[in-house]
Amino acid sequence: DAKTTQPNSMESNEEEPVHLPCNHSTISGTDYIHWYRQLPSQGPEYVIHGLTSNVNNRMASLAIAEDRKSSTLILHRATLRDAAVYYCILGSMDTDKLIFGTGTRLQVFP
Amino acid sequence: DAGITQSPRHKVTETGTPVTLRCHQTENHRYMYWYRQDPGHGLRLIHYSYGVKDTDKGEVSDGYSVSRSKTEDFLLTLESATSSQTSVYFCATRRGRTFYEQYFGPGTRLTVT
Repeated sequence: DAKTTQPNSMESNEEEPVHLPCNHSTISGTDYIHWYRQLPSQGPEYVIHGLTSNVNNRMASLAIAEDRKSSTLILHRATLRDAAVYYCILGSMDTDKLIFGTGTRLQVFP
Repeated sequence: DAGITQSPRHKVTETGTPVTLRCHQTENHRYMYWYRQDPGHGLRLIHYSYGVKDTDKGEVSDGYSVSRSKTEDFLLTLESATSSQTSVYFCATRRGRTFYEQYFGPGTRLTVT
């Protein structure tokens, strides 16, 4: 399985944009990029996923590099509720399972 | 929310005793997963199921077994619990192979003394 590399932790102030990076230099052509987040004392929840083009939904935006070797999850205006561990995961259409890493712990300050 | 419940939510047990954790879903999702989460290791996949009676191993399957006799239930069994299996266990479901979103349950905190 292709691996991802994320910073261990990041900090942001409330109402500021947050850019969470993910490197995946060994990504295959069929791998989708998935993002999940885990709020304190809860199970992870899906955030967004994409293949090649940038993606937007109500929670976040996903910017994918042209060579697909890196991607960035963008929270446009961080809130205190966005403080969580964010996981970047690769998986193809043939993947039965998602392998989580250790993720990035995002702290949001008022 | 995929109607996932886990039972028990908390359990303390002694080394050497058998333990079974239950995951129940109400959405008829094909895939079900068991993960464990420990400080410094993130989420690690133990076993997963891609249908009734169809299961496969994950990253850390040693010491665990699973069973899925009905679509809605996925059981994780620790045949003889050890202190290294103290962890938070999460169940997850997924509708099907072409559906990427996994839904997670609230977790079970297991302590083996």
